[in-house]
Amino acid sequence: KNEVEQSPQNLTAQEGEFITINCSYSVGISALHWLQQHPGGGIVSLFMLSSGKKKHGRLIATINIQEKHSSLHITASHPRDSAVYICAVSGNQFYFGTGTSLTVIP
Amino acid sequence: GAVVSQHPSWVICKSGTSVKIECRSLDFQATTMFWYRQFPKQSLMLMATSNEGSKATYEQGVEKDKFLINHASLTLSTLTVTSAHPEDSSFYICSGVWGGEEPQHFGDGTRLSIL
Repeated sequence: KNEVEQSPQNLTAQEGEFITINCSYSVGISALHWLQQHPGGGIVSLFMLSSGKKKHGRLIATINIQEKHSSLHITASHPRDSAVYICAVSGNQFYFGTGTSLTVIP
Repeated sequence: GAVVSQHPSWVICKSGTSVKIECRSLDFQATTMFWYRQFPKQSLMLMATSNEGSKATYEQGVEKDKFLINHASLTLSTLTVTSAHPEDSSFYICSGVWGGEEPQHFGDGTRLSIL
């Protein structure tokens, strides 16, 4: 069993739809990270959070420490949001989810 | 925002060659640099963590004599793949962070192809 599980693995949405990507983890952590990897490989750190909720533009990330679960929400999705979204946790070690491949269709 | 410059972006070389990849933090001091490897259609795998002025800490299964990491200054870390072989072909990415509570800033990655 992986220390970090993401769902879904693949997601296709129509432009404008509200999107949720889930992440569950099984280890103790100091922080959880949401990363965005574009087709060319470049990675952007979207959020780093250890409690509660963070919002940046159309992106919202929440974390429930007790349930060891985090969600990444994208409101009013757009084709440029198409990317692989990776959940990672850091504590004594880094653990990465296998990513969610999101395709937003115009 | 903070910028990390990684160079080169693409390398093709013969088996047995040593390849050096540079990672520079352009507008912040990276007290810690991380080096990752990613195989096609797989997630990131942390290879090693380096703190400025200290020896790198390698993850289990990563050969420290094969993947030499130097973090001699707060703005530069290098990864040298020594005597590279085709199985070392991968996408290598660095990231830097200047504090324990700060997010990582990623380089654009280096695609390494060993013929």
